[in-house]
Amino acid sequence: KAGVTQTPRYLIKTRGQQVTLSCSPISGHRSVSWYQQTPGQGLQFLFEYFSETQRNKGNFPGRFSGRQFSNSRSEMNVSTLELGDSALYLCASSLGDREGEKLFFGSGTQLSVL
Amino acid sequence: LAKTTQPISMDSYEGQEVNITCSHNNIATNDYITWYQQFPSQGPRFIIQGYKTKVTNEVASLFIPADRKSSTLSLPRVSLSDTAVYYCLVGDAGSSNTGKLIFGQGTTLQVKP
Repeated sequence: KAGVTQTPRYLIKTRGQQVTLSCSPISGHRSVSWYQQTPGQGLQFLFEYFSETQRNKGNFPGRFSGRQFSNSRSEMNVSTLELGDSALYLCASSLGDREGEKLFFGSGTQLSVL
Repeated sequence: LAKTTQPISMDSYEGQEVNITCSHNNIATNDYITWYQQFPSQGPRFIIQGYKTKVTNEVASLFIPADRKSSTLSLPRVSLSDTAVYYCLVGDAGSSNTGKLIFGQGTTLQVKP
């Protein structure tokens, strides 16, 4: 069974640009969550999508948005990039409807904002 | 969501047993205790999860005392490849919260030869 796939693996952007990251969950998984990881703030929850609807949201500004398609694939968008958005962005998937489920993470997209 | 406290770093040698303790004084009745492992430039990987007493799987054991205010992850006979960051998470693992995990600062385990 293929794992969680994130593309691209690395990305370099400049301030003010926007970026779209992609995540393909494990087949059959309907929940996709996004996380931001930085050396200073650690791993922080961005949002979760389940069956194409945002189910949970973290404390990030509106520049961070996402969506989920009918095949459960998800995209995350960051508009008007700031230097502080440089981070490893991780996507995780799960079935999403069972108590105590574990998440399966991808290897992430390393975003550098110059 | 209960806050967790764990040591920032630990050192060990190959072949030793490693125990990492996590404090979660404000754990709620519905909260599970979950541990993840993360290697550099990779996403976290689920290790083990428990609610009370002891849980064991092929890679680790999790000990939870009766008051559930702490938990201990036990890694038997560690090897160099166990060098990683270990996160203790406590939260409502209900079916509508499965995707939302709150990570603390984690414990960096360094295994030496």
